[in-house]
Amino acid sequence: GQNIDQPTEMTATEGAIVQINCTYQTSGFNGLFWYQQHAGEAPTFLSYNVLDGLEEKGRFSSFLSRSKGYSYLLLKELQMKDSASYLCAAMDSNYQLIWGAGTKLIIKP
Amino acid sequence: IAGITQAPTSQILAAGRRMTLRCTQDMRHNAMYWYRQDLGLGLRLIHYSNTAGTTGKGEVPDGYSVSRANTDDFPLTLASAVPSQTSVYFCASSDSSGPGGADTQYFGPGTRLTVL
Repeated sequence: GQNIDQPTEMTATEGAIVQINCTYQTSGFNGLFWYQQHAGEAPTFLSYNVLDGLEEKGRFSSFLSRSKGYSYLLLKELQMKDSASYLCAAMDSNYQLIWGAGTKLIIKP
Repeated sequence: IAGITQAPTSQILAAGRRMTLRCTQDMRHNAMYWYRQDLGLGLRLIHYSNTAGTTGKGEVPDGYSVSRANTDDFPLTLASAVPSQTSVYFCASSDSSGPGGADTQYFGPGTRLTVL
């Protein structure tokens, strides 16, 4: 079956760095997405990886290893506004997104 | 530019009633999607449409129907609501969905539905 695993909750300190891991198993693979979702709001797009390696976008970076079925989202210089859930989603052979349950990130001062 | 709008924002519905959730996008995206989001679970695809005039079933289609009469609108209908359909419903759209493009999905603000 198809499955996405990511930690349920993580805590980090303002100004620090945090890495949110995601492992996936899908029928075929057409890329890995990360979304941010603040409580009570819609998911918003953060990053997309389809090739192995690191994609950097400001304070956020995303990494993909296709051979390991593994991705991570790296958040640097954490700010209080980064408190949110981070959703990992893999696109399968039918170009449908398979979603993880999300990682709730709590930032402490 | 509004992007994607959904209506209503929230609704409390008696079991057995019929309900249509509305979704409209102004980005001229070809593909549209309906998801439900429940606590502790990932977003689950209910129905999708790759282009106007076509629809398909997602992971959890039972009890729901959709139509795609034009590019902009993608309503979701619950024919006879049941308590297990209590959820937050998100509509999303993307420029395309298929070979040649794994396009980003953009989400509407959601509809919070409670079925009693």
